[in-house]
Amino acid sequence: SQQGEEDPQALSIQEGENATMNCSYKTSINNLQWYRQNSGRGLVHLILIRSNEREKHSGRLRVTLDTSKKSSSLLITASRAADTASYFCATRVGNNRLAFGKGNQVVVIP
Amino acid sequence: EAQVTQNPRYLITVTGKKLTVTCSQNMNHEYMSWYRQDPGLGLRQIYYSMNVEVTDKGDVPEGYKVSRKEKRNFPLILESPSPNQTSLYFCASSTGGASEKLFFGSGTQLSVL
Repeated sequence: SQQGEEDPQALSIQEGENATMNCSYKTSINNLQWYRQNSGRGLVHLILIRSNEREKHSGRLRVTLDTSKKSSSLLITASRAADTASYFCATRVGNNRLAFGKGNQVVVIP
Repeated sequence: EAQVTQNPRYLITVTGKKLTVTCSQNMNHEYMSWYRQDPGLGLRQIYYSMNVEVTDKGDVPEGYKVSRKEKRNFPLILESPSPNQTSLYFCASSTGGASEKLFFGSGTQLSVL
């Protein structure tokens, strides 16, 4: 089952602009994670935000979590061409399964 | 270097010919998992393992087998591959189960003809 659903599905921006994508989920969570995937490669963990946190930063990344709305957002500031990738949110489903959303493709135009 | 190693990177086979995709991690992680990725469907979990000799089904386990005889290795076995198993496969591991950061392998692109 798909626990996380990212929105929008695809985003095309100019280098230097900010990119924002959202993720919604259905059940209660302990934490929510964001991953990046460069074309056809393995996913790379970006950031983990716990259910008792509202906002977290890592470099040019900012993640927010609203547990009342069951949603999270990922903001990439001052985007670069190297940020071109697909971005996935993921949450735990059941005891030991991690479910990913379908992904959000971001294209940064130099 | 901490890593998850999958082999092979690319594999073309024919229907019914048994194959194994290997996965090994050097981080002493207890949790390991297999995913398949298909266009429009995202990543779906096939099997996972909490520790040696402990495995369990994910969302799409049909047609797959796994084993966890050693902590570092978690091979994925397709006893009789079919064309609908053509997909991009990823192995992943973590230290703290499904709630914690996953480390992914580079992927195996499988084509079943």
